[in-house]
Amino acid sequence: ETGVTQTPRHLVMGMTNKKSLKCEQHLGHNAMYWYKQSAKKPLELMFVYNFKEQTENNSVPSRFSPECPNSSHLFLHLHTLQPEDSALYLCASSQEEVASADTQYFGPGTRLTVL
Amino acid sequence: LAKTTQPISMDSYEGQEVNITCSHNNIATNDYITWYQQFPSQGPRFIIQGYKTKVTNEVASLFIPADRKSSTLSLPRVSLSDTAVYYCLVGDILGAGSYQLTFGKGTKLSVIP
Repeated sequence: ETGVTQTPRHLVMGMTNKKSLKCEQHLGHNAMYWYKQSAKKPLELMFVYNFKEQTENNSVPSRFSPECPNSSHLFLHLHTLQPEDSALYLCASSQEEVASADTQYFGPGTRLTVL
Repeated sequence: LAKTTQPISMDSYEGQEVNITCSHNNIATNDYITWYQQFPSQGPRFIIQGYKTKVTNEVASLFIPADRKSSTLSLPRVSLSDTAVYYCLVGDILGAGSYQLTFGKGTKLSVIP
């Protein structure tokens, strides 16, 4: 247990569906992150929120829409995805974004399959 | 683009000490070196972090030479459960001054009975 939870753990959706991934951290951290990990590829940073403000969007397609209502919760809204979006989506949190020494704590991930 | 270079894979027998070396020639003065471990279909897990010299915790040691251009993660007496991918990271400054950790491909360690 890292103090970061993600739901659902597994998700299968069609290309026309709309779904949301949820992340919650119980560590009192101020920064939260979404990563994508495709098969045999490095983790790719998607979005960063620091004190509820989005600070990074690494050229992610608009079919992925993040939401951070407070420092403890992070959502990733999905719509009209493509099969190549199938991957493990990981949420992480850290005390603050701007610190090299800041350890990131990862959740268990959501395994997404797009049919 | 990751600022680190590490071997793609390593094999080791159970009970041996494993050393994984990472190169980070362009490490910045303020950067710390952090290692994570990842099992299949799970999120990465923090192992150890250091700035210079040697750091040791209950699971690993981290050796960093004076020039800080490389680091070595040492796992004592590995077991089958240590089979995982190990990532070496240093900070990476993005545009507008923000900061992130960039994961490379990591080193896949396979422990053999």
